[in-house]
Amino acid sequence: GQNIDQPTEMTATEGAIVQINCTYQTSGFNGLFWYQQHAGEAPTFLSYNVLDGLEEKGRFSSFLSRSKGYSYLLLKELQMKDSASYLCAVFYNQGGKLIFGQGTELSVKP
Amino acid sequence: DVKVTQSSRYLVKRTGEKVFLECVQDMDHENMFWYRQDPGLGLRLIYFSYDVKMKEKGDIPEGYSVSREKKERFSLILESASTNQTSMYLCASTEGRGETQYFGPGTRLLVL
Repeated sequence: GQNIDQPTEMTATEGAIVQINCTYQTSGFNGLFWYQQHAGEAPTFLSYNVLDGLEEKGRFSSFLSRSKGYSYLLLKELQMKDSASYLCAVFYNQGGKLIFGQGTELSVKP
Repeated sequence: DVKVTQSSRYLVKRTGEKVFLECVQDMDHENMFWYRQDPGLGLRLIYFSYDVKMKEKGDIPEGYSVSREKKERFSLILESASTNQTSMYLCASTEGRGETQYFGPGTRLLVL
């Protein structure tokens, strides 16, 4: 299988930093995406990693280690509007499909 | 900006009805996808298409069919709706394989 594992839910405080982890099976790996989805809305693209290392984009950063089958999304200076579900998705060569994790529900509290 | 639109935001149908969900993208994308999203199960791929008149089964195609007669339009068909098809349906498109997926706003379908 091509299981994508991420925590179901996390809670953090406004202004803090939170790290959302994602692990995946490495065979056939061809890129990893992070999406943000607010309740009742469609997912929107946050980041894409295909090479090892950290990609920074404002308050959000995404890290990838291909050998370990591991990624994380780092959110800094948390704001209330960051409360959402964060989806990790991996593109595999076999079948040419994007496989989504179940999503991590992040609650940001004052 | 890529725009992906879906024909309805909310839909209520009765068991046994034939249901059509329409998706249109305006960026000349080759690839289009239909997912359903359910609590605790995440996004699951129903069908996808890499070209006009081409379709491939995703992970959960049973009970669904699709049609792609034009590049910009990808339709999902529930031949005979059942209550277990109550879900949020999301359409997406990409320019190339493995590239960023752009999602429509979703259709929340309730089958009674």
